[in-house]
Amino acid sequence: DIQMTQSPSSLSASVGDRVTITCRASQGIRNDLGWYQQKPGKAPKRLIYAASSLQSGVPSRFSGSGSGTEFTLTISSLQPEDFATYYCLQHNSYLYTFGQGTKLEIK
Amino acid sequence: QVQLVQSGSELKKPGASVKVSCKASGYTFTSYAMNWVRQAPGQGLEWMGWINTNTGNPTYAQGFTGRFVFSLDTSVSTAYLQISSLKAEDTAVYYCASFRGSSSFDYWGQGTLVTVSS
Repeated sequence: DIQMTQSPSSLSASVGDRVTITCRASQGIRNDLGWYQQKPGKAPKRLIYAASSLQSGVPSRFSGSGSGTEFTLTISSLQPEDFATYYCLQHNSYLYTFGQGTKLEIK
Repeated sequence: QVQLVQSGSELKKPGASVKVSCKASGYTFTSYAMNWVRQAPGQGLEWMGWINTNTGNPTYAQGFTGRFVFSLDTSVSTAYLQISSLKAEDTAVYYCASFRGSSSFDYWGQGTLVTVSS
């Protein structure tokens, strides 16, 4: 099975900061990766698909990059509504895997 | 508009079974697979597996074989998750999700809380 290692597990930042979250795959997964945002008590919401394509309706301050084994989600200028938990999800093999999650908190 | 509507919260005793439903609307049900995702209290997301909505063929992640069964009723565009021999550690929110990684199609149910307690 493909393992996804997500870092950091938590992150403290301020409004206006630029933040980056990383996911590393245990083997190459091309660009078969999405990024999700989850707020407490809510279903996850996809921000990025195919590693770098912005989901419709998602603000352009979110961006994704990477291919193969290393992927990043960048938020260019944090807004108050961005404080949440973020997950990557690989779907390269027929068995998918989430990263462990990154909790983004207000500094 | 696309919607996935799940059945309500369940409180079950250890050893019992539960069946969670996920009714899809607003799109052709058989065009996209249905995934199931578990989230234990305070924990991360776990992908449980998926079911091919054309063939009914399920694929289960490691750790979700044996007691977990995915099924469909395509006549009413509904997917089901059945869990048997419930244990306390099955207490979680269970989500259905229909998505395709290579496209912007990505929809989730609201989640169903299953609580297992004596």
